[in-house]
Amino acid sequence: EAQVTQNPRYLITVTGKKLTVTCSQNMNHEYMSWYRQDPGLGLRQIYYSMNVEVTDKGDVPEGYKVSRKEKRNFPLILESPSPNQTSLYFCASSPRLSNTEAFFGQGTRLTVV
Amino acid sequence: AQSVSQHNHHVILSEAASLELGCNYSYGGTVNLFWYVQYPGQHLQLLLKYFSGDPLVKGIKGFEAEFIKSKFSFNLRKPSVQWSDTAEYFCAVIYDTGGFKTIFGAGTRLFVKA
Repeated sequence: EAQVTQNPRYLITVTGKKLTVTCSQNMNHEYMSWYRQDPGLGLRQIYYSMNVEVTDKGDVPEGYKVSRKEKRNFPLILESPSPNQTSLYFCASSPRLSNTEAFFGQGTRLTVV
Repeated sequence: AQSVSQHNHHVILSEAASLELGCNYSYGGTVNLFWYVQYPGQHLQLLLKYFSGDPLVKGIKGFEAEFIKSKFSFNLRKPSVQWSDTAEYFCAVIYDTGGFKTIFGAGTRLFVKA
């Protein structure tokens, strides 16, 4: 089944404790991105990747890191999480940059206390 | 800056009522337009999309949207909503400048009363 898989689905952590949210897609898509969803703000792009070893900042990259060592994986790293990073995170992939829709993962609800 | 505006943040309708959700975008060049739906506790799923051609596009579950270039709008419609349409709806635009960034609207929460 074609899908985007995120783990974990739920995470509660403490301020400053490094964490990684994994994202994997099995559709051989070139383009992957991370979004955070906050009430009243919709989805805001954190980082995106156009291919292996090619990543760039989205609209809200502060406090986040990503890597794209393999085509299928695009982990999101929070080196020192803070409470303002409490949010719902979605990973998405698409076969190309335009003229295509995005396929979303199930989401990761992160709470930083 | 590029932006997407959704006019209604919360909409409450009774079953069988007609629905129209507004979406306007700020850029006048080439765009890809989408409506995504997020059912409670689930991820975003594509409802419909417009890239080119007929400006009236039909999606899943009886939804349709009309692209009006002169108004920079892409409004979502459904003639008769059902309780199962209760969800959050997001308009999204891919702009063809500077990396083909996707911009999402803030979302509209629709609640359909049975």
